[in-house]
Amino acid sequence: DTAVSQTPKYLVTQMGNDKSIKCEQNLGHDTMYWYKQDSKKFLKIMFSYNNKELIINETVPNRFSPKSPDKAHLNLHINSLELGDSAVYFCASSPELNTEAFFGQGTRLTVV
Amino acid sequence: AQSVTQPDIHITVSEGASLELRCNYSYGATPYLFWYVQSPGQGLQLLLKYFSGDTLVQGIKGFEAEFKRSQSSFNLRKPSVHWSDAAEYFCAVGWGSGGYQKVTFGIGTKLQVIP
Repeated sequence: DTAVSQTPKYLVTQMGNDKSIKCEQNLGHDTMYWYKQDSKKFLKIMFSYNNKELIINETVPNRFSPKSPDKAHLNLHINSLELGDSAVYFCASSPELNTEAFFGQGTRLTVV
Repeated sequence: AQSVTQPDIHITVSEGASLELRCNYSYGATPYLFWYVQSPGQGLQLLLKYFSGDTLVQGIKGFEAEFKRSQSSFNLRKPSVHWSDAAEYFCAVGWGSGGYQKVTFGIGTKLQVIP
């Protein structure tokens, strides 16, 4: 069983579209995250959720909206996609804030 | 401001040679420290972590790291590199307290292993 799974693995879409990426963890962790990795491999935190509550919201455009229906899921919805949104998005989870994170395989988003 | 520095963007070593990847941080207190590895097309995998206690920590795949408070460093080492170690390595620092805590990643060091 995959500990942290995200779907889809690849997503190609046109500018202006709205898309969602789903993430699920079966580790029983309280904390989940979304990270963005750009073309230079730089990894930046976008959001942190702890027990379904938003803890950290970095300077991310409000076109990005996370949704946590329960502790095991943290989905990422993106409105009005732009070319600059092209990146690999990683979901992760950890037992608590600031502890070791378990990462999903990533979703490669390409906006054309 | 808190920061993580990995001064080497790209390192090439011969298989069987020793390896040291550098990581420095800037933070007023002792942070939580991590090393992750990312193979091509994969997510990140934790190699090892330091929260407190013994400053030399052992990780998976034969890696170890040493926390040096005086140098604000947490360098990753391996005595003998294998071809399968070729990957991107990320140092990460966890900082904050109370209700606000976050982990900041370095820019990564790409390791190439030559036969």
